[in-house]
Amino acid sequence: EAQVTQNPRYLITVTGKKLTVTCSQNMNHEYMSWYRQDPGLGLRQIYYSMNVEVTDKGDVPEGYKVSRKEKRNFPLILESPSPNQTSLYFCASSPITGIGQPQHFGDGTRLSIL
Amino acid sequence: KQEVTQIPAALSVPEGENLVLNCSFTDSAIYNLQWFRQDPGKGLTSLLLIQSSQREQTSGRLNASLDKSSGRSTLYIAASQPGDSATYLCAAPPRLQGAQKLVFGQGTRLTINP
Repeated sequence: EAQVTQNPRYLITVTGKKLTVTCSQNMNHEYMSWYRQDPGLGLRQIYYSMNVEVTDKGDVPEGYKVSRKEKRNFPLILESPSPNQTSLYFCASSPITGIGQPQHFGDGTRLSIL
Repeated sequence: KQEVTQIPAALSVPEGENLVLNCSFTDSAIYNLQWFRQDPGKGLTSLLLIQSSQREQTSGRLNASLDKSSGRSTLYIAASQPGDSATYLCAAPPRLQGAQKLVFGQGTRLTINP
């Protein structure tokens, strides 16, 4: 089954304790992206990757890191989490074409930073 | 900078009604217009993608239209069912930012009452 898998689905942690949210897709997609979803602000892009070893900042990259060492994986790293990073996070992937393709989303990771 | 607006923020209708959800965007130079569905606790599911050269797309009881000149898209749901209850989001990638760069509206939360 074609899917984007995020782990963990839920996490409660404390300020300053490094954490990683994993994202894996099995569709051989070149493009992968991280979003955060907040009430009143909607979905905002954090980072994206056009292919292995190619990453770039989205609209709200502060406080986050990513890496793309393999095509299928795109982990999101919070090196020193803070309460304002409490949010619902989504990973997405799609093939890259000149006209755009539907993006496939994971089920989300709800992070609470105390 | 592309801005996407969805009105109303919430809509409640009785089962069986036909309904229209609205999406407007400020930059008409887009690759496509995408409609997604989001269920509580779940990620986004792609419903329809209209390429910039197209006027509409249909899938079952769903029909999406695109009018770039006025910066508007509509999602028409025929014969609504309780299972259609969800949040519906539209997204448009502006041409200056690449076909994969989705800019989302804040969504319309739809409730279909039995």
